[in-house]
Amino acid sequence: GQQVMQIPQYQHVQEGEDFTTYCNSSTTLSNIQWYKQRPGGHPVFLIQLVKSGEVKKQKRLTFQFGEAKKNSSLHITATQTTDVGTYFCAGHAGTYKYIFGTGTRLKVLA
Amino acid sequence: DAGVTQSPTHLIKTRGQQVTLRCSPKSGHDTVSWYQQALGQGPQFIFQYYEEEERQRGNFPDRFSGHQFPNYSSELNVNALLLGDSALYLCASSLEDRAGYTFGSGTRLTVV
Repeated sequence: GQQVMQIPQYQHVQEGEDFTTYCNSSTTLSNIQWYKQRPGGHPVFLIQLVKSGEVKKQKRLTFQFGEAKKNSSLHITATQTTDVGTYFCAGHAGTYKYIFGTGTRLKVLA
Repeated sequence: DAGVTQSPTHLIKTRGQQVTLRCSPKSGHDTVSWYQQALGQGPQFIFQYYEEEERQRGNFPDRFSGHQFPNYSSELNVNALLLGDSALYLCASSLEDRAGYTFGSGTRLTVV
């Protein structure tokens, strides 16, 4: 079945450093979403990417969708302590469900 | 504008018992999806409801069943609980299947 993997599993960065998480799907996706889950919280929708090669920015966050629509990345510039949490990608492969990735847990050291 | 509401927030059940979890979707949303999230893991898709019917199901046994009501609210039922069913159960609503999901705060189920 469809699998969505993320790397790295954990990332510790100093405040002000950049951070990137990568998402890879075993199948071609129709679209991909990104979510952030704070410790003890629930996933919160960040963005959706639909087009091959699409790049979207939200302030310090940059999201990319690969040309083959099988991978994606999230890059955070100059991390802040408020960026702490687990970042999940969720891939949609044409069925009525999103498959969530394994997540990358980000810890920001002040 | 209320978000997604789930009840109860926490629940402790004994092995073999049955449980019902409830979800009220965000106002204006018509699609409800249920996910199971074990500690330290990503959410796992259980099933999705639209127009009161289950239209997609994940790799969960028949012990997991659900329902959607005419007002779009939904229930998740789990029979014959196992210790491994202990997890955070998340309800997510959306207007369309491919729109961004709004998640509820979840129900933390502990099976002892």
